[in-house]
Amino acid sequence: DIQMTQSPFSLSASVGDRVTITCRASQSISNFLNWYQQKPGKAPKLLISGASTLQSGVPSRFSGSGSGTDFTLTITSLQPEDFATYYCQQSYSKPLYTFGQGTKLEIK
Amino acid sequence: EVQLVQSGAEVKKPGESLRISCKGSGYSFSSYWIGWVRQMPGKGLEWMGIIYPSDSQTTYSPSFQGQVTISADRSISTAYLQWYSLKASDTAMYFCARRVDVVATTGGRYEAFDIWGQGTMVTVAS
Repeated sequence: DIQMTQSPFSLSASVGDRVTITCRASQSISNFLNWYQQKPGKAPKLLISGASTLQSGVPSRFSGSGSGTDFTLTITSLQPEDFATYYCQQSYSKPLYTFGQGTKLEIK
Repeated sequence: EVQLVQSGAEVKKPGESLRISCKGSGYSFSSYWIGWVRQMPGKGLEWMGIIYPSDSQTTYSPSFQGQVTISADRSISTAYLQWYSLKASDTAMYFCARRVDVVATTGGRYEAFDIWGQGTMVTVAS
């Protein structure tokens, strides 16, 4: 099974900051990597697929990069509505779509 | 509007059976795979399994194989997640989600889950 490991587990930042969340796969998954945002009590929301393709309607301050085993989600100029938990998910080993353990982004 | 609407919260006792539902609308339900995801209280997302409503082809995560049953009735655009004997450890929020193929800016095609149900909270307690 492919394991997905995110870091950090949690992160404190201020409005306007630039933050980066990392996701590492236990084996190469090419670009088969998705990012989701989840707010408390809500369903996850797809932000990025194929490691770097932004979903329609997602602000351009979100970006994704990486290939193989190492991936990053970057949020530039944090906004109040960005404080949430972020998950990566691999879609290489379909149909077993493993998630990372999540990164909680909190307000400093 | 494309949406998945899940059935309401459930409170059950250990050993009881349960089926929760996920109804799609606004798109061709049979043409898209539907996945199920568990989120235990205060924890992360866990992939459970997936079904293709058109022919009910189903795959389970090894962690959930034999623990739950995923099914679908394409005539009423509904997918189901079922337990035959609930345990306290089944207490969680359960989400359904639609799988799509996204064409990337690089030209590749990638599978992702673009529409999610609102979640169904299942509480199992004696």
